[in-house]
Amino acid sequence: SAVISQKPSRDICQRGTSLTIQCQVDSQVTMMFWYRQQPGQSLTLIATANQGSEATYESGFVIDKFPISRPNLTFSTLTVSNMSPEDSSIYLCSVEEDRGDIQYFGAGTRLSVL
Amino acid sequence: KQEVTQIPAALSVPEGENLVLNCSFTDSAIYNLQWFRQDPGKGLTSLLLIQSSQREQTSGRLNASLDKSSGRSTLYIAASQPGDSATYLCAVLRSNDYKLSFGAGTTVTVRA
Repeated sequence: SAVISQKPSRDICQRGTSLTIQCQVDSQVTMMFWYRQQPGQSLTLIATANQGSEATYESGFVIDKFPISRPNLTFSTLTVSNMSPEDSSIYLCSVEEDRGDIQYFGAGTRLSVL
Repeated sequence: KQEVTQIPAALSVPEGENLVLNCSFTDSAIYNLQWFRQDPGKGLTSLLLIQSSQREQTSGRLNASLDKSSGRSTLYIAASQPGDSATYLCAVLRSNDYKLSFGAGTTVTVRA
């Protein structure tokens, strides 16, 4: 099973600033995903990040707000840009070793925006 | 659009009692269904994965059933322990785009 390290684990940020979240996997994986979990809500997929191609964003999420990098098969970053209090959430990355297989999740980044 | 619902939202039981968690989904075009456990500050851990062609999966004290035609899955946890206290999430993998749709979860408290 894949082991995922996510940094930072939590942060408190000021309105208008940006935060970059890192996701490191201990094995090479094709598919990586970024999710948001707002307080009291379930997980919502932000985007799919495959190495060598542009990230694919879900409805309601745009690249200018959530730029994603995927420089290789073990690493990805998600940036939350121009933050507002509404961005306060847990952000999680996950990977899927094979299509339709178990998804493995990082511990998440708990973001609070003041 | 796939909608996943979990009932109840919260559950509190004494230690030793069996747990029954329910999950329903609106679109039967799924590839598989997964049950996850979420602990505060520790992300999600996959508990069981049931392929769409399967009726149930078992792992230790956990048993999950799937009735794809009626859009339902049930997670049974036998002889609950305080360490089972967590939020349990159900997610279906859509067969048209291979993306997960999550339920809102059931938060379980097992009292010693």
